[in-house]
Amino acid sequence: GQQLNQSPQSMFIQEGEDVSMNCTSSSIFNTWLWYKQDPGEGPVLLIALYKAGELTSNGRLTAQFGITRKDSFLNISASIPSDVGIYFCAGQNSNSGYALNFGKGTSLLVTP
Amino acid sequence: GVTQSPTHLIKTRGQQVTLRCSSQSGHNTVSWYQQALGQGPQFIFQYYREEENGRGNFPPRFSGLQFPNDSSELNVNALELDDSALYLCASSASESSYEQYFGPGTRLTVT
Repeated sequence: GQQLNQSPQSMFIQEGEDVSMNCTSSSIFNTWLWYKQDPGEGPVLLIALYKAGELTSNGRLTAQFGITRKDSFLNISASIPSDVGIYFCAGQNSNSGYALNFGKGTSLLVTP
Repeated sequence: GVTQSPTHLIKTRGQQVTLRCSSQSGHNTVSWYQQALGQGPQFIFQYYREEENGRGNFPPRFSGLQFPNDSSELNVNALELDDSALYLCASSASESSYEQYFGPGTRLTVT
């Protein structure tokens, strides 16, 4: 599969802080998605992005499809303890068909 | 939602295993992913209308089936130690929908 680079690898923040993470690729993608995975569970879809420059929100989460189509960003505002988990970006392009290519994840820890 | 069985499984090297998945109601496309510890999911293959619709970089000993009721199976023959992973099934509303919804996974351990 195609390599997606997520950063940071992990984050340790206090409740109430805002969080930013990103995902970059050497390839252009047509679709970007963001998932959250809790321990022992499958990934849960948070946000899907379909157009370069698109900015989409889901509650306290906001994600953007980068203009170059090679990156995407996820922001979480006013973090709470239940935001703890691993956040994955996933991209799709014509080279991958209908497969999703995933990054290695950003692990988020939130202290009360 | 998407359900998978069993939740955990322990097998010996060389054995064969079958994992099962039931898609979300109304979804006709299922994809299977392998997630090694500390990694993101890796695409194995996708099924649409009971036909394989795309395959990742996995050997032929990984095979699948999709049934008319949109349930599916992942079969792995000649298990190797490196096959130890979380196996995730994801369903989507159609073959052209990239919004894939995942089940909780089956944790396979090969000893």
